[in-house]
Amino acid sequence: DVKVTQSSRYLVKRTGEKVFLECVQDMDHENMFWYRQDPGLGLRLIYFSYDVKMKEKGDIPEGYSVSREKKERFSLILESASTNQTSMYLCASSPRGTGPQETQYFGPGTRLLVL
Amino acid sequence: GDSVTQMEGPVTLSEEAFLTINCTYTATGYPSLFWYVQYPGEGLQLLLKATKADDKGSNKGFEATYRKETTSFHLEKGSVQVSDSAVYFCARLGRGTSYGKLTFGQGTILTVHP
Repeated sequence: DVKVTQSSRYLVKRTGEKVFLECVQDMDHENMFWYRQDPGLGLRLIYFSYDVKMKEKGDIPEGYSVSREKKERFSLILESASTNQTSMYLCASSPRGTGPQETQYFGPGTRLLVL
Repeated sequence: GDSVTQMEGPVTLSEEAFLTINCTYTATGYPSLFWYVQYPGEGLQLLLKATKADDKGSNKGFEATYRKETTSFHLEKGSVQVSDSAVYFCARLGRGTSYGKLTFGQGTILTVHP
């Protein structure tokens, strides 16, 4: 079974802090994604990566950055956390290609509260 | 751009009732379509998918048919159970410059009472 793990389930940070959210997948997937989930808005893509050292902006990249130094690990960084970044953050991975490989596999999520 | 619109919730049903959650998508090419489910306190799990027109995805008693003519992918289940209570997300997969990117609907909260 594909396993995507996220470093924390719950996190509380203060405004202005630098925050790191870590995601690790164990299926050698090329593609990795970071989303945030807010009530009534569904999931919105923040950043994604098709390969090591590659990153692409999603729909809402402002206030975030990412790092992908190893294939299995994709980190989301909040450079200076703000209260409007309080949200649920979900990481996902998928293999490159078409057909059944298009499925994205999700981690359990990190619920971040910024005070 | 790509978009997905789901029926607004929340939806509340009694056990064994029939379920329909509507989903429509923007018709840029022929995207793969998905339904994901999120149980309380968990991440998203793939429920079913369809990759071309007229395909029917099915899993755990849920079904959805890819309708190109109406750009729809409605989720149905004939008899819901309390354990189906969850949030359901419809999504489409991008092609071309949006390759590999999922666009989600806003989610529909389903509550099933005994």
